[in-house]
Amino acid sequence: SAVISQKPSRDICQRGTSLTIQCQVDSQVTMMFWYRQQPGQSLTLIATANQGSEATYESGFVIDKFPISRPNLTFSTLTVSNMSPEDSSIYLCSVLTGGLGQPQHFGDGTRLSIL
Amino acid sequence: AQTVTQSQPEMSVQEAETVTLSCTYDTSENNYYLFWYKQPPSRQMILVIRQEAYKQQNATENRFSVNFQKAAKSFSLKISDSQLGDTAMYFCAFTQSYNTDKLIFGTGTRLQVFP
Repeated sequence: SAVISQKPSRDICQRGTSLTIQCQVDSQVTMMFWYRQQPGQSLTLIATANQGSEATYESGFVIDKFPISRPNLTFSTLTVSNMSPEDSSIYLCSVLTGGLGQPQHFGDGTRLSIL
Repeated sequence: AQTVTQSQPEMSVQEAETVTLSCTYDTSENNYYLFWYKQPPSRQMILVIRQEAYKQQNATENRFSVNFQKAAKSFSLKISDSQLGDTAMYFCAFTQSYNTDKLIFGTGTRLQVFP
């Protein structure tokens, strides 16, 4: 399976600032996704990162708050903008390398704490 | 809309014993895929097992097996010969067979394996 590197692994940020999380894959993948996992909760899909076009956001998530880039088939970034304590979560990148029904593979996640 | 339910927030088992984690889901689709993921304290999401809905045979991966009951929309995970390293959060997940392979996660079951 693909090797996924996610950076940073953790960060502590001040409210009102922004942080960009990077996701790098060692091979070309068909699809990339960004998830949020709030403390003690399950994973919620933020958006699908589309190569060369705007990301597809899920209900409750907007581009102004979570801008996403995917310039090529191996790299994507998620920015958490104007952060508040409610944004304290683990953010995970995942990729899909195969066809329909194949499992997604996840990065190690970024643990973000907002003071 | 599809939903995934895990009714056991926490489970515990003694080392070398067998434990079963429950998962039910709701969908009107006939073709779909089900997964169990494991998230140890290191927070990486690790695929445990995958089941294709159109296959009658239950999937197995070494000590991990599923009991897939399509009519009952049930997808339980059995862990045999439990090991200390099995201690983790376990998430059941669903994806439909078409569209973007968006994963829908259950709320998770925290499994503690005791020596």
